[in-house]
Amino acid sequence: DAKTTQPPSMDCAEGRAANLPCNHSTISGNEYVYWYRQIHSQGPQYIIHGLKNNETNEMASLIITEDRKSSTLILPHATLRDTAVYYCIVRSIVTGTASKLTFGTGTRLQVTL
Amino acid sequence: DAGVIQSPRHEVTEMGQEVTLRCKPISGHDYLFWYRQTMMRGLELLIYFNNNVPIDDSGMPEDRFSAKMPNASFSTLKIQPSEPRDSAVYFCASSPTGTGSPTWKAFFGQGTRLTVV
Repeated sequence: DAKTTQPPSMDCAEGRAANLPCNHSTISGNEYVYWYRQIHSQGPQYIIHGLKNNETNEMASLIITEDRKSSTLILPHATLRDTAVYYCIVRSIVTGTASKLTFGTGTRLQVTL
Repeated sequence: DAGVIQSPRHEVTEMGQEVTLRCKPISGHDYLFWYRQTMMRGLELLIYFNNNVPIDDSGMPEDRFSAKMPNASFSTLKIQPSEPRDSAVYFCASSPTGTGSPTWKAFFGQGTRLTVV
């Protein structure tokens, strides 16, 4: 699976949009971009994933560049409960290969009043 | 569904003792993963199973660690003998079939915080 690079930390004011970037310049055609987050003392929580099209769900939006070498997770209206470590992960969906998730160091998002 | 259930939530044991962590995956999920999280190393994959069969155990740190999945609804991670450096939070996760599916995703339990003194 391709390697990802994320900033170690970011701040965001409550009510504002939080834009978390991720670089995955070595991504291959069958690899999806996944985002998970981990709130303190809890297990990682799935947020969203995508291949090449932009995706949106009730939690967030995922914007993937046309060349797929980077992506941005957008929390449209951040709240204090969104304070967490956010992990960007690239994973192959080719059946029969390792279907594991490999977590990097993530971005620690601090939402403030 | 109650989600992935891990027990115990907290475990304190003395060095040299055997420790057994337990996991009940979400019903119908064919993949089960064991992770370990520490401040120094972050979240590391230890081992994962597909249909109760271990597929990749390359992350298991040493022979003191073993994992089993006797049936589709139960898995254990055992450390014998335990050492202080094994202190960490251990997570279990499960995922449904179709890992080649565009909708694949893993669901995590709340973790077991292990302290070895």
